[in-house]
Amino acid sequence: DGGITQSPKYLFRKEGQNVTLSCEQNLNHDAMYWYRQDPGQGLRLIYYSQIVNDFQKGDIAEGYSVSREKKESFPLTVTSAQKNPTAFYLCASSAEQGWSPLHFGNGTRLTVT
Amino acid sequence: QKEVEQDPGPLSVPEGAIVSLNCTYSNSAFQYFMWYRQYSRKGPELLMYTYSSGNKEDGRFTAQVDKSSKYISLFIRDSQPSDSATYLCAMMPTGNQFYFGTGTSLTVIP
Repeated sequence: DGGITQSPKYLFRKEGQNVTLSCEQNLNHDAMYWYRQDPGQGLRLIYYSQIVNDFQKGDIAEGYSVSREKKESFPLTVTSAQKNPTAFYLCASSAEQGWSPLHFGNGTRLTVT
Repeated sequence: QKEVEQDPGPLSVPEGAIVSLNCTYSNSAFQYFMWYRQYSRKGPELLMYTYSSGNKEDGRFTAQVDKSSKYISLFIRDSQPSDSATYLCAMMPTGNQFYFGTGTSLTVIP
């Protein structure tokens, strides 16, 4: 089955540690996205990538970094510079041929203490 | 003012009721409109998407877009307890920037 796989589902880290969230898709989609979801705030865009080896900052990129070395993979690193990293992180992709809607993974819940 | 406004609810209805979920928006450039369903601790699942104004029906779900009023709706007929979830609207102009509502929490009571 085609889809987007995010791992792990739950992640716990101590303050001051960097952590990397995995996102893999087998939909052959060109564009990939990372969103953060907090209660009452909706989805906020962190980074997106339309093509391998290229990515752009979203609305809340500070304290995050990404890479896009393969079409299928778009990992997100939450660095110690992110002031409030505890959140639900969602990876998404779209076909980017003309227009297509976003398809989401099932998210990673990150808790930093 | 937010680009997309959505009443967070919560909305609680009896099983079998017709549910109406709505979003308003301010950007007249929005062309594509989407509805997602999100269960607790899961990612959003695409329910329906439409282009420009008009209605689109899929089983018990109908999506409606009124661009003149900058208003979109999702109707759920014969609602079921399994429809209990948060519903997100999303929209975009041409390009690749998606704009989301904050979601409406729906509970269907058996």
